[in-house]
Amino acid sequence: GAGVSQSPRYKVAKRGQDVALRCDPISGHVSLFWYQQALGQGPEFLTYFQNEAQLDKSGLPSDRFFAERPEGSVSTLKIQRTQQEDSAVYLCASSLGRRRGHNYGYTFGSGTRLTVV
Amino acid sequence: AQRVTQPEKLLSVFKGAPVELKCNYSYSGSPELFWYVQYSRQRLQLLLRHISRESIKGFTADLNKGETSFHLKKPFAQEEDSAMYYCALARGFLQGAQKLVFGQGTRLTINP
Repeated sequence: GAGVSQSPRYKVAKRGQDVALRCDPISGHVSLFWYQQALGQGPEFLTYFQNEAQLDKSGLPSDRFFAERPEGSVSTLKIQRTQQEDSAVYLCASSLGRRRGHNYGYTFGSGTRLTVV
Repeated sequence: AQRVTQPEKLLSVFKGAPVELKCNYSYSGSPELFWYVQYSRQRLQLLLRHISRESIKGFTADLNKGETSFHLKKPFAQEEDSAMYYCALARGFLQGAQKLVFGQGTRLTINP
């Protein structure tokens, strides 16, 4: 497709349940990011991949959060033993990377709204 | 640590009036600054980047390193400008990683 695709759009999970959120970036985009956006807040960085390498995972809030991008394309964000505070919109963004020393803008997906009950 | 502050959560102006959405940042190096916009029921999208020095949909933003600001301006607001606006910072290329630090956002409402 032409844009970044995320699935599912909505996910309701019972507390303690594991969830997996999927991101299909734009074809050829090297960089892939995950952000968490709580209600009324701006997006907050979770993790970053360059191709299949996870170069920065400093934003992952706990060891219950895990992300992978095994073939350098599709990425999955997994949250184990979900808690109510995990309720948020999870955004994926992809980018061509850098050119002439400057960042390209990122293309965001529509996000997955996770509600933990 | 990098930080982006958008002091106004809500901003309401009349159609045709000038608009200024404030953004201040904290970063010791040379940052790259962006404005992102999210229209109702649409995804977050890039509005403009400071290095491009461009005007998009009539909006401009100038990076003021002395005041560490990157305010977004438009001389004459239009109803279709109503949206959520986020200011964001990325470390410059010499500093490596490309992650964005976002402000909390300003909801702009243009009244007819």
